[in-house]
Amino acid sequence: AQTVTQSQPEMSVQEAETVTLSCTYDTSESDYYLFWYKQPPSRQMILVIRQEAYKQQNATENRFSVNFQKAAKSFSLKISDSQLGDAAMYFCAYKMNRDDKIIFGKGTRLHILP
Amino acid sequence: KAGVTQTPRYLIKTRGQQVTLSCSPISGHRSVSWYQQTPGQGLQFLFEYFSETQRNKGNFPGRFSGRQFSNSRSEMNVSTLELGDSALYLCASSLKLGEAGANVLTFGAGSRLTVL
Repeated sequence: AQTVTQSQPEMSVQEAETVTLSCTYDTSESDYYLFWYKQPPSRQMILVIRQEAYKQQNATENRFSVNFQKAAKSFSLKISDSQLGDAAMYFCAYKMNRDDKIIFGKGTRLHILP
Repeated sequence: KAGVTQTPRYLIKTRGQQVTLSCSPISGHRSVSWYQQTPGQGLQFLFEYFSETQRNKGNFPGRFSGRQFSNSRSEMNVSTLELGDSALYLCASSLKLGEAGANVLTFGAGSRLTVL
C-alpha cells in the first residue's frame, strides 16, 4: 500500500527567509504524481506544486520549488522569501496515474514570524 | 469560471440520523472524488466517480455511499451517523483527459459536519 509521511508536524520561519518541508513516500508503482497542497484557515485546499514521477527535473512555481529524489522516495518543498500569506497547513500527496485517489500525508503546519 | 461548490457548508446532526452532502464540480469536469478530514485521521479518500460510475472506494463502512448524476454533480450520504463521523468532507473535481494523466484536482471549501 502506498503511504506518505510528513515528519514535521509544525514549523516556523521568519518572514522573507527560506524554509523546507519534508516528505517521504512509499510505493511500488513507477507511474505516479506527487503534489504539495496548501490549506489555509479558510479550509480551501489549494494546489501549490506538482511533480510527475517520470520527470527528473524538479518542478518550480515562483517562490515554491521541490527537491524530488525518486530513488530515495523523497519529495521536499522549499519556500523562498516566505510571506505572511504562506502560513497554512501543507500536505504532501501522492496519486497513481490511473485514478484520482490521492493519498495525503498528515500535514505540516507552517507559521510565518513577522 | 465557478469553482467546486459544496453544500451545505455547515450542518449539525444527531447520532442515528442520516446526512446528504452535495458537490457541484467545475463546469466540464467529469470526475468527482470525496475525502474526509479529521484531526485524528487526517485526509482520507472516500470514493471517486466518473461518468456516473464509482471508480474507486476507500476503506469506509457501507454507511458511507455516494452517487454521481448525468450532469457530473455528486452527492454523498452517511446513514446512521456516529460521533466519529464529525469531520470536514471535501469534494474535488478534475477534467479527466482519457484514462490517465495528472488530472489536477480542484477542491471545494468543504462541508463541516458535526454529530452530537
